[in-house]
Amino acid sequence: NAGVMQNPRHLVRRRGQEARLRCSPMKGHSHVYWYRQLPEEGLKFMVYLQKENIIDESGMPKERFSAEFPKEGPSILRIQQVVRGDSAAYFCASSPSGQGVEKLFFGSGTQLSVL
Amino acid sequence: AQTVTQSQPEMSVQEAETVTLSCTYDTSESDYYLFWYKQPPSRQMILVIRQEAYKQQNATENRFSVNFQKAAKSFSLKISDSQLGDAAMYFCAYIPGTYKYIFGTGTRLKVLA
Repeated sequence: NAGVMQNPRHLVRRRGQEARLRCSPMKGHSHVYWYRQLPEEGLKFMVYLQKENIIDESGMPKERFSAEFPKEGPSILRIQQVVRGDSAAYFCASSPSGQGVEKLFFGSGTQLSVL
Repeated sequence: AQTVTQSQPEMSVQEAETVTLSCTYDTSESDYYLFWYKQPPSRQMILVIRQEAYKQQNATENRFSVNFQKAAKSFSLKISDSQLGDAAMYFCAYIPGTYKYIFGTGTRLKVLA
């Protein structure tokens, strides 16, 4: 049973380009969470999605950032017109239900570097 | 505001010795969960141990145990018989019954041979 798969592992973009980060949850998991880890900081919640629904995007910047989790395929975190401050590790986690008390299964993250 | 504080940016321990990583948190909730996660250089977030706030008994997982002091809002991690493979960043996290984990800034643990 494969774990949470994130790709790419490393992504380099120039300022103004778009970044697309992908996350395939564990088999049987329909709840996906995205977290961002800035250098020397802990992970910070960005967005919580179920299939075809955004449940909570309160941690996501209002501009340039969007997330989706379609009926088929991986969850996508999209950052338009990237800036240097977007450089961070972006983690995806999944769970079988939306009960936060259960264990979250994390992917290995995508390290985004903006030149 | 709900916050998690890890006051030790870095700790060192001799192999086979014991080390304690501290964590304090701030919450007005009475029911919540606390976690310690390990993040090795691979970046993978690995759950080390979990504590339910309503349980007075401290959680234990092999060489890892916690000292949970609810009144003091303290949740320290003790690693016994430290091994080289324990070297990593350790994050304390709190979840107030919802899905939003709140993480501390981490403690980098070095294990000296």
